Amino acid sequence: KAGVTQTPRYLIKTRGQQVTLSCSPISGHRSVSWYQQTPGQGLQFLFEYFSETQRNKGNFPGRFSGRQFSNSRSEMNVSTLELGDSALYLCASSLGDITGELFFGEGSRLTVL
Amino acid sequence: DAKTTQPNSMESNEEEPVHLPCNHSTISGTDYIHWYRQLPSQGPEYVIHGLTSNVNNRMASLAIAEDRKSSTLILHRATLRDAAVYYCILRGSNSGYALNFGKGTSLLVTP
Repeated sequence: KAGVTQTPRYLIKTRGQQVTLSCSPISGHRSVSWYQQTPGQGLQFLFEYFSETQRNKGNFPGRFSGRQFSNSRSEMNVSTLELGDSALYLCASSLGDITGELFFGEGSRLTVL
Repeated sequence: DAKTTQPNSMESNEEEPVHLPCNHSTISGTDYIHWYRQLPSQGPEYVIHGLTSNVNNRMASLAIAEDRKSSTLILHRATLRDAAVYYCILRGSNSGYALNFGKGTSLLVTP
């Protein structure tokens, strides 16, 4: 079956702009979570959505937001981009239970100039 | 949130067994122990998880201490493809559904 698809794979923005990243989960998965990976901070949890509702949120400023649609596809948005937002953004999908395996996409690499 | 402690790095010879330790002394009774790994230039991938009993799957084995304050991921015969960062993560009702990855253990496999 098809895996988790993230688009775009690479993008370059300038400070102050905003960006929207998309994640299409595996068919049948109702949970989508987002992570930021940087060399300095490692993998950090952003938020998780389950059946269109945000179920968990990490410690990121309000500039980072997300949503999930009725077909389980999810988007995350970062407004007023800062240089420190340059990172690999990873999306993961799962069935949504506490023991469920998370399947990760290949990520969207964002560079902020 | 319950935290895990792992060595920063480990090294193994190819075709030798590898034991990756993880300490989680503040684990709660409902926390599951999950292991993920991240190969270079890829997203993380699931390895194994367990609650109290030892677990085996095609990738690895998970040995859980009787008091559950530590666990060990066992790769029975390391291959070059097993070179990755391995993350030990606690996941339960208190920690929510998120994965808190920490720094993980970088495993180097030498031929």
